[in-house]
Amino acid sequence: SQTIHQWPATLVQPVGSPLSLECTVEGTSNPNLYWYRQAAGRGLQLLFYSVGIGQISSEVPQNLSASRPQDRQFILSSKKLLLSDSGFYLCAWSVGRREKLFFGSGTQLSVL
Amino acid sequence: GQNIDQPTEMTATEGAIVQINCTYQTSGFNGLFWYQQHAGEAPTFLSYNVLDGLEEKGRFSSFLSRSKGYSYLLLKELQMKDSASYLCVSFNQAGTALIFGKGTTLSVSS
Repeated sequence: SQTIHQWPATLVQPVGSPLSLECTVEGTSNPNLYWYRQAAGRGLQLLFYSVGIGQISSEVPQNLSASRPQDRQFILSSKKLLLSDSGFYLCAWSVGRREKLFFGSGTQLSVL
Repeated sequence: GQNIDQPTEMTATEGAIVQINCTYQTSGFNGLFWYQQHAGEAPTFLSYNVLDGLEEKGRFSSFLSRSKGYSYLLLKELQMKDSASYLCVSFNQAGTALIFGKGTTLSVSS
């Protein structure tokens, strides 16, 4: 069966520090991978999606970047965090572009 | 961006029926999802409509009208555990990724 792992569960970082969140999927090949962010009291915002290794699409301009170094690994990064980067970050995968999403357990990031 | 509109909050009592409406801007692909999200947790899949009409799955049903850009989620025999946020989800313009509405927070009381 397929599983998705996302870590860490919580993270507190100072403004200006770097960020690296990692997500891995098991039990499937060539998944579509996604990073979403949910700010307090707001809906999920799509940040990045990837249909293959090295292929990254960004939905909104921001202080973050994403990389997919391996088929089932998706990394969200920032060189210098801003206060506005605080939120609940969710990694997700799907079999195809028009299939349902399966979410990781999320990372609650607080930038102070 | 993709505009998805749904009520912010709804309240209901145990055993009742509630309908959560959603309107969205149609794109080239008009399928629509509903997800449930409990506070502090990741969303979980509830339903997917790709054709017009009603899809029934246990206590939950979902309806879609593609031409009208309209959907609703119907929850029957409400239970306390149904208190959660319900997210209406459509596709971005390119049809390559899902765009989530802000969600409807449903509070079920006894």
